[in-house]
Amino acid sequence: ETGVTQTPRHLVMGMTNKKSLKCEQHLGHNAMYWYKQSAKKPLELMFVYSLEERVENNSVPSRFSPECPNSSHLFLHLHTLQPEDSALYLCASSSREGLAGVNEQFFGPGTRLTVL
Amino acid sequence: ILNVEQSPQSLHVQEGDSTNFTCSFPSSNFYALHWYRWETAKSPEALFVMTLNGDEKKKGRISATLNTKEGYSYLYIKGSQPEDSATYLCAFLTGANNLFFGTGTRLTVIP
Repeated sequence: ETGVTQTPRHLVMGMTNKKSLKCEQHLGHNAMYWYKQSAKKPLELMFVYSLEERVENNSVPSRFSPECPNSSHLFLHLHTLQPEDSALYLCASSSREGLAGVNEQFFGPGTRLTVL
Repeated sequence: ILNVEQSPQSLHVQEGDSTNFTCSFPSSNFYALHWYRWETAKSPEALFVMTLNGDEKKKGRISATLNTKEGYSYLYIKGSQPEDSATYLCAFLTGANNLFFGTGTRLTVIP
């Protein structure tokens, strides 16, 4: 049990669908992250939220829209995705003291997304 | 996007062998270096977070060293066991709060 949960674990969607990925952490952390892993590529940081404010957005297309309603929950809203967006999406959390990335991150199990 | 390189990409060792692999990263704008172990069908799990040049960290049979001046970190596993089979990821944190991951070293320990 990592303390970070993600739902759903698998998602298949069409290009015109709207769906959301959910992440929840029970570790008392104040920073949360979305990562994308495509086949044979490194983990790519998409978004960072610290104290519920977005502090990083690494040039991610607007068809991905994050939301952090409180320090325990993080969403990734998806709309009009492309087949190349098919990937594993990982959520992580950490405690932030200064830079959000200095402390170890705790990862969820990921959502395997397939866009048809 | 910064280049974080890990080598080798994959590695097979016999149970009981010791092994090591490398993470190379830019030597400028360094804030931290993370190592993670990612077992198949599980979540990545943090092994070490290293911040100081010359740092050496150890957890059981696994240890890591850090050289920020030349931009590399080594991960060592002593007496490899089948349960050590996983992908080992390193990640480089810049002052701009970006964490850049390498593609990992996939280790298989043969019983």
